[in-house]
Amino acid sequence: DIQMTQSPSSLSASVGDRVTITCQASQDISNYLNWYQQKPGKAPKLLIYDASNLETGVPSRFSGSGSGTDFTLTISSLQPEDIATYYCQRYDNLPWTFGQGTKVEIK
Amino acid sequence: EVQLVESGGGLVQPGGSLRLSCAASGFTFSSYWMSWVRQVPVKGLEWVANIKKDGSEKYYVDSVKGRFTISRDNVKNSLYLQMNGLRGEDTAVYYCARVDRVWAFDMWGQGTMVTVSS
Repeated sequence: DIQMTQSPSSLSASVGDRVTITCQASQDISNYLNWYQQKPGKAPKLLIYDASNLETGVPSRFSGSGSGTDFTLTISSLQPEDIATYYCQRYDNLPWTFGQGTKVEIK
Repeated sequence: EVQLVESGGGLVQPGGSLRLSCAASGFTFSSYWMSWVRQVPVKGLEWVANIKKDGSEKYYVDSVKGRFTISRDNVKNSLYLQMNGLRGEDTAVYYCARVDRVWAFDMWGQGTMVTVSS
């Protein structure tokens, strides 16, 4: 199975900072990648689909980029409500797999 | 209101069985593929199974093949996961999720906890 490796596993940043999370696939997955946000005690929420498309209703400070094996989720200006764990997920072939998650905290 | 509500979780002994249900409302259930995704407490997410809109195709992660069965009832707007031969490593929060047209999980239930322990 294709493995998804996220980095960093956790980060601490200040409100207003630009935050970047990376996700690397062990093989080329084209743009078949989604990003999710999970707040404590809640279900995940779709943020970005097809690597770079913003889901309806998601703030524009979130953006995604990349293709092939290397992908990035960027929060342009970190807000207190962005405290969460972020997961990438590939869907090029079954089994669909997730990255191990990146926990974002406020400094 | 558009929502998914899971039920049926609980404590079960190793080797036991459990049936999870997911009630869908607020959208045309029969128009969507559906999935089960699980999460070991404080750990990551794992896709478990998919079922096509009409139930004619089903797919599973290797670790549950032959033990779990996904099914749906488009009249009752419900998704199910029959889990047999449960093991300790199946302990997790189980979410039902809607799969949108670009193969993303665009809607999730609140989750139901399954604990496999003697």
